[in-house]
Amino acid sequence: GQNIDQPTEMTATEGAIVQINCTYQTSGFNGLFWYQQHAGEAPTFLSYNVLDGLEEKGRFSSFLSRSKGYSYLLLKELQMKDSASYLCAVRAINNAGNMLTFGGGTRLMVKP
Amino acid sequence: SAVISQKPSRDICQRGTSLTIQCQVDSQVTMMFWYRQQPGQSLTLIATANQGSEATYESGFVIDKFPISRPNLTFSTLTVSNMSPEDSSIYLCSVAYRGGTEAFFGQGTRLTVV
Repeated sequence: GQNIDQPTEMTATEGAIVQINCTYQTSGFNGLFWYQQHAGEAPTFLSYNVLDGLEEKGRFSSFLSRSKGYSYLLLKELQMKDSASYLCAVRAINNAGNMLTFGGGTRLMVKP
Repeated sequence: SAVISQKPSRDICQRGTSLTIQCQVDSQVTMMFWYRQQPGQSLTLIATANQGSEATYESGFVIDKFPISRPNLTFSTLTVSNMSPEDSSIYLCSVAYRGGTEAFFGQGTRLTVV
């Protein structure tokens, strides 16, 4: 099975930087995803890491350490619209192919 | 990318009845999944929809309660059977391409059972 942990809630200030951590335990690791989900909407893709290191995409960056089972999502220059849930998801290979398992999500509140 | 049409977008159903949710993709995809997201919680995988064979269910989900069909590479259905208020949730269809780096989600079906 898989075990994915991330903080339940975080609060940050507009314009600041916030780091959302995710730790996981899995077999057959085949990539880690971060998704953003606004209330009442479907998740939208933010980033993907399969090799160790940092992937940067605009204001968002994601880091992966496979040996530590650890990832983080870094959000810079926070905007009010960044208030959302951020879901860490691990992809693993099973008999049916690739399976994506989600963590509990981190609800980020950005304050003025 | 994939464009996913999920129907219905929402429904209010009587307990004891069944609802079938449809997921249509605009291109042939390798993997199709059904997730449930209960209020205030993250996504839980119900099953992997396999083309031409029985779906692969996750622990806690059974075929009698959540029968799934996938007649081809672009279409799948999930039925929520003999519904109870505990089944009130958002049900999401997700697709992925083998070797791809991203999973795509439909807009979800918001189900309320009364």
